[in-house]
Amino acid sequence: AQSVAQPEDQVNVAEGNPLTVKCTYSVSGNPYLFWYVQYPNRGLQFLLKYITGDNLVKGSYGFEAEFNKSQTSFHLKKPSALVSDSALYFCAVRDGRDSSYKLIFGSGTRLLVRP
Amino acid sequence: DVKVTQSSRYLVKRTGEKVFLECVQDMDHENMFWYRQDPGLGLRLIYFSYDVKMKEKGDIPEGYSVSREKKERFSLILESASTNQTSMYLCASSLHRASHYGYTFGSGTRLTVV
Repeated sequence: AQSVAQPEDQVNVAEGNPLTVKCTYSVSGNPYLFWYVQYPNRGLQFLLKYITGDNLVKGSYGFEAEFNKSQTSFHLKKPSALVSDSALYFCAVRDGRDSSYKLIFGSGTRLLVRP
Repeated sequence: DVKVTQSSRYLVKRTGEKVFLECVQDMDHENMFWYRQDPGLGLRLIYFSYDVKMKEKGDIPEGYSVSREKKERFSLILESASTNQTSMYLCASSLHRASHYGYTFGSGTRLTVV
């Protein structure tokens, strides 16, 4: 069965410092991996995805993520955090062999960037 | 840009009421999904649809039903609302079943059942 784990409920970082939000996954086939961000009382917005190719994926707002097949991880990173990055972040996975195209979401990680 | 519009941002209903949550997308997407979001639980799939009049159960369909009479509209129905259905409900759409596209989400409906 597909699953996604986001081990940290909250990540705190000072503005200007690098940030990492962790995600690990489990699928039986090839993983399609996604990151979404949610601002208060809003829907989820797409940040980036990994389907195939280069393990380092660049996305919106200066975010990037690194796919690591051996560690089954897809951590979200940003070199220099902004206060405006404070939000709820969701990792999601789809099994490439699953024809239903359902995404399985993690429980979410709240990012708090201090001024 | 694709727009997914949910008809209500906030909704308060009484226990036992029949509740309709509406979702409309404007870019001819085949796939539509309903999730509920609860703190610490992330997003859980209630129902999804690949085509008009077609529906499939997600992970937590109990107490819900759906309707898709037109391609652009996907309705979630709570037949008899209960307090444990108080939640944030998110609608999403995507272009094609087997594609690599992600989802486009609506802004969500925060439902309170009293």
